[in-house]
Amino acid sequence: QVQLVESGGGLVKPGGSLRLSCAASGFSFSDYYITWIRQAPGKGLEWVSHISGSSGYINYADSVKGRFTISRDNAKKSLYLQMNSLRDEDTAIYYCAREMFNSNNCDYWGQGTLVTVSS
Amino acid sequence: DIQMTQSPSSLSASVGDRVTITCRASQAINNFLGWYQQKPGEAPKLLIYSASTLQNGVPSRFSGSGSGTDFTLSISSLQPEDFATYYCQQSYSAPRTFGQGTKVEIK
Repeated sequence: QVQLVESGGGLVKPGGSLRLSCAASGFSFSDYYITWIRQAPGKGLEWVSHISGSSGYINYADSVKGRFTISRDNAKKSLYLQMNSLRDEDTAIYYCAREMFNSNNCDYWGQGTLVTVSS
Repeated sequence: DIQMTQSPSSLSASVGDRVTITCRASQAINNFLGWYQQKPGEAPKLLIYSASTLQNGVPSRFSGSGSGTDFTLSISSLQPEDFATYYCQQSYSAPRTFGQGTKVEIK
């Protein structure tokens, strides 16, 4: 069955860095766009970034552009999010999710990993 | 970026009620619209994609409609397990923006 498992969250000081990982299984990982979506405590969903199967197409939300870098390793069936220059407002649960073919909506989600930015 | 506006932001309803949530895009997105349900402490779950196609395993009391800029999620007869927060998401272009959410509460 399709499974996505995030890891790497934790407590970091403002200005610090953190690298999130998402391990995929149960599907042909290299065929799919994979997305990072976050949710600040008590708030709604915010789309962060996505990457195509070949890594040839990458997009970011304006709120993270220039600070976050998405990447993937298809051999390891893993997705990454390198987060630099972290701010208080980056505090959130970070989910990875698979984008469906054609509709581009996210049909499978991980359970999320919590990132807390605080001094 | 495409802005997605959901209404209402919250509603109170009783079991058995028909519930309708609307989502408006700031520009035409054809039918590139999905609806998600999220319960506290859980990841979101895809209910409907391509504006009106029910995801596998989702009960038929859920339905979606619309095209262009105006979309609707309907629940024909609200069940106890449907009390949750619902989000729309446009998937026409990146960034793939979400609506602000609609919390459906028990009346």
